[in-house]
Amino acid sequence: TQLLEQSPQFLSIQEGENLTVYCNSSSVFSSLQWYRQEPGEGPVLLVTVVTGGEVKKLKRLTFQFGDARKDSSLHITAAQPGDTGLYLCAGGPYNQGGKLIFGQGTELSVKP
Amino acid sequence: DVKVTQSSRYLVKRTGEKVFLECVQDMDHENMFWYRQDPGLGLRLIYFSYDVKMKEKGDIPEGYSVSREKKERFSLILESASTNQTSMYLCASRGGTGTGGNQPQHFGDGTRLSIL
Repeated sequence: TQLLEQSPQFLSIQEGENLTVYCNSSSVFSSLQWYRQEPGEGPVLLVTVVTGGEVKKLKRLTFQFGDARKDSSLHITAAQPGDTGLYLCAGGPYNQGGKLIFGQGTELSVKP
Repeated sequence: DVKVTQSSRYLVKRTGEKVFLECVQDMDHENMFWYRQDPGLGLRLIYFSYDVKMKEKGDIPEGYSVSREKKERFSLILESASTNQTSMYLCASRGGTGTGGNQPQHFGDGTRLSIL
């Protein structure tokens, strides 16, 4: 069974701080997606990375796919209270159609 | 915008009852998924479907079944509800066919199910 280990599970920081969330696996994935979920809502896609070593930026969020396609990171610069939420990484395994394997999630709280 | 609608936000049922969770998507997507979400465990795939009347087991199918009679509707059925099925249930749909794994999944807002 392929697993995605996401860390940390909880993160509480002050506004303006930087943070990094990690997503690691021993398996290779064809792609890696990051979702954000707010209370009472379903997850919403932030980004998809598909090439080993790929870096994508979304305003203050930087996403990286590892060279070996086994890991990914999400870095937030100068966090804002509006960044508060649950961040989920999800890997697309090879030869398993459109299935996604989800990490456990990182609960981020940014205090003003 | 893709809209995935789950019929109930909150549901309370008793052990042994047969429970139906309904999900409808409006984007003509081929693929639909049912997950359960529990704290510290992320999202776990229960069942998915690549086409009408087609279903495949996910990682935790025990105690569940599904139905997809029409393309836009995917139903999750708890045959005989038990307390360990108390959870948040999320439905998702995805465009693309076959191995379109890079396409995003679009989620409903979830059904919080409590089994007493």
